[in-house]
Amino acid sequence: GAGVSQTPSNKVTEKGKYVELRCDPISGHTALYWYRQSLGQGPEFLIYFQGTGAADDSGLPNDRFFAVRPEGSVSTLKIQRTERGDSAVYLCASSLSGTGEKLFFGSGTQLSVL
Amino acid sequence: SQQGEEDPQALSIQEGENATMNCSYKTSINNLQWYRQNSGRGLVHLILIRSNEREKHSGRLRVTLDTSKKSSSLLITASRAADTASYFCATDAGNKLVFGAGTILRVKS
Repeated sequence: GAGVSQTPSNKVTEKGKYVELRCDPISGHTALYWYRQSLGQGPEFLIYFQGTGAADDSGLPNDRFFAVRPEGSVSTLKIQRTERGDSAVYLCASSLSGTGEKLFFGSGTQLSVL
Repeated sequence: SQQGEEDPQALSIQEGENATMNCSYKTSINNLQWYRQNSGRGLVHLILIRSNEREKHSGRLRVTLDTSKKSSSLLITASRAADTASYFCATDAGNKLVFGAGTILRVKS
């Protein structure tokens, strides 16, 4: 596709449930990033993939959060036992080869945990 | 954690005026980038300035970088109502971009 695609655009779930958020980066981009943004704040880094491997997962807040990118393209962010504090916009971005480059962002997934 | 801090938090100007936003950061960087965000969703890259550059232009945008003061500024000249958005600086210090909290710009027509 022409840009970074994220699905779903909105997700409403109940506390304690499991959710998966999908990101389809720009074709050919080897670097993929997940960020989380709360209202009135800037994006907060979660994890960075270079190809299939997580090169930096230092931003994942706890072990309820996990992300995969098995074939080096599409990535899935998985959140177990969701909490109300997980409510935020989850943003995915990609770049051609990694650090030092501009990022192309998707439109985000608005996650609401009730 | 957020390394960059934008100033002011919010700015309201008339169409045609210039808008200046500032960003300060704490550690050494490879480059600094500015992004724009409409309606709280996807961010759009505006400009990248490397640590060995002092000034860069792109259309109505002018960015400066002072590594000795660990600060950058974004100037938007001849603002338009369509420039209304949130603007973020982001520092590249390794594997990731670290974003500030942003400046909300409102341009009144």
